[in-house]
Amino acid sequence: AQSVAQPEDQVNVAEGNPLTVKCTYSVSGNPYLFWYVQYPNRGLQFLLKYITGDNLVKGSYGFEAEFNKSQTSFHLKKPSALVSDSALYFCAVRDAMGFKTIFGAGTRLFVKA
Amino acid sequence: DSGVTQTPKHLITATGQRVTLRCSPRSGDLSVYWYQQSLDQGLQFLIQYYNGEERAKGNILERFSAQQFPDLHSELNLSSLELGDSALYFCASSEFSGLAEAKNIQYFGAGTRLSVL
Repeated sequence: AQSVAQPEDQVNVAEGNPLTVKCTYSVSGNPYLFWYVQYPNRGLQFLLKYITGDNLVKGSYGFEAEFNKSQTSFHLKKPSALVSDSALYFCAVRDAMGFKTIFGAGTRLFVKA
Repeated sequence: DSGVTQTPKHLITATGQRVTLRCSPRSGDLSVYWYQQSLDQGLQFLIQYYNGEERAKGNILERFSAQQFPDLHSELNLSSLELGDSALYFCASSEFSGLAEAKNIQYFGAGTRLSVL
């Protein structure tokens, strides 16, 4: 069965510093991986996805994610955090044969000015 | 704006009651998904419809049901409501189904906040 783990409930980082939000997954076959962000009182918004190809995926708002097959990880990164990046971030996985998207529990990112 | 519209934004009701949540997908999207977001359970997939037919089921209770109409809008019906059903209910839509579905982005509505008192 598919599963996604986001080991950190909250990540705190100072503005201007690099940030990493961690995600590990378990899926049979090739994984399709996604990051979504949720701002307060809003629905989830797509940030980026990994389907195939280059292990480093670039997405919206300067975010990128690195796919590591051997470690079954898909960590979200940004070189320089902004206060406006403070939000709830969800990692999600689908397998090629399934129709379900499994979301992680979410990681709350807090960027301090 | 994602293009997915959910109504109502807020719903307050009592235990034992029945409510209907409505979702209009993005123009051209054939797939509709329903999710429940609560503090203790995170974001849980409930059910998916594609072009009017049920495609996949997740952790949906028997008291809950959904349908997708010919104009592609969808409704989630929650009955015999319990305090624990209080949550944010999200609808999402995407363009494709089948194998392409797995690669596709889901666009989320702003959600319906249900409070069961």
